[in-house]
Amino acid sequence: AQRVTQPEKLLSVFKGAPVELKCNYSYSGSPELFWYVQYSRQRLQLLLRHISRESIKGFTADLNKGETSFHLKKPFAQEEDSAMYYCALRGDYKLSFGAGTTVTVRA
Amino acid sequence: DVKVTQSSRYLVKRTGEKVFLECVQDMDHENMFWYRQDPGLGLRLIYFSYDVKMKEKGDIPEGYSVSREKKERFSLILESASTNQTSMYLCASGLTGNTEAFFGQGTRLTVV
Repeated sequence: AQRVTQPEKLLSVFKGAPVELKCNYSYSGSPELFWYVQYSRQRLQLLLRHISRESIKGFTADLNKGETSFHLKKPFAQEEDSAMYYCALRGDYKLSFGAGTTVTVRA
Repeated sequence: DVKVTQSSRYLVKRTGEKVFLECVQDMDHENMFWYRQDPGLGLRLIYFSYDVKMKEKGDIPEGYSVSREKKERFSLILESASTNQTSMYLCASGLTGNTEAFFGQGTRLTVV
């Protein structure tokens, strides 16, 4: 069975402050991990995936297999980062999501 | 530009009705998914399909069924709608492997 856990439902930070969204997973095979984002009144869309090892909109995420984590980080939050963030795991054909974290960036 | 289109944005149905939610994608993706999105619970997988006429149960399939007769279309069926099926339903499609899933705009279903 595969499972994704996002322990924080809500996260509020000030503009310019660092932000970290936690994600832990359980999966017996080699995981494929993603972060998706949903801005207000927009579709859910891919933010980044672990295999790309790239920074998107200033966000990075590192896969830690020992801790089974894939936390999302940004050193300086911007107001436009306010959104709902979902961690996702692809196992075989199944794509599972966590409960999501709502991020609010305050001026 | 990938398009995943859900047939309705808003739907109101009565308890006991049979409800069809349709999803069409135009990128020849093998995999298609149906989720429901509820506050505090995130996206929960109802059913998915990795090929035409193939379907697999997700985490919460009870009360739902699906149909995939053509590659581009994946239908979610509520056999007898109940009030606890009031939710936002999201359809997604994607290729097999470590690739992006593309989402539809969602259907907000209210069962009264």
